[in-house]
Amino acid sequence: GAVVSQHPSWVICKSGTSVKIECRSLDFQATTMFWYRQFPKQSLMLMATSNEGSKATYEQGVEKDKFLINHASLTLSTLTVTSAHPEDSSFYICSARESIPQYFGPGTRLLVL
Amino acid sequence: TQLLEQSPQFLSIQEGENLTVYCNSSSVFSSLQWYRQEPGEGPVLLVTVVTGGEVKKLKRLTFQFGDARKDSSLHITAAQPGDTGLYLCAGEGAGNMLTFGGGTRLMVKP
Repeated sequence: GAVVSQHPSWVICKSGTSVKIECRSLDFQATTMFWYRQFPKQSLMLMATSNEGSKATYEQGVEKDKFLINHASLTLSTLTVTSAHPEDSSFYICSARESIPQYFGPGTRLLVL
Repeated sequence: TQLLEQSPQFLSIQEGENLTVYCNSSSVFSSLQWYRQEPGEGPVLLVTVVTGGEVKKLKRLTFQFGDARKDSSLHITAAQPGDTGLYLCAGEGAGNMLTFGGGTRLMVKP
């Protein structure tokens, strides 16, 4: 199957700092990328959808000024958690698709102290 | 909003037993994917079903898409400890959006 990478896999930061997470499709061009958040022992919660060159579409309840998404190319999307707080600690997973199905990255675990 | 109900939420069985996981919705999906996720990792695609009534087999795993493309099942034969994990179904609807089921956490005891 197609490969999606995420970097970093782990990040620990102090409250108030910003954290950038990269998502790359390694062997295909991702026309659409998705960002999910997953709480322990729960399913995935979609945060936003981004198409290359367009502004991201955020799900209800997700602050677009806090979770900045950039989809600059067909192989790269970034999620920046601005002014992170402990409640932002979570497992963030990106996925990418050219057509069906979606392929997921390995996830980034964020811990905000 | 499309909803996808997945059951059971938790399943703990002995090695060698069979099990079935169900995903049901009142909505029609253009395709449905099954993923397996291990702790600390992203979901890994197991299968995509597209056609109503479609059955796909992956070793001991059998996936079925309902005739009306509103439901799906995953059957595992002779479960092994390596099958332990979180199983997620996800239906693709309007706008290519995926709707996830709540997940089934499977534990297979040796």
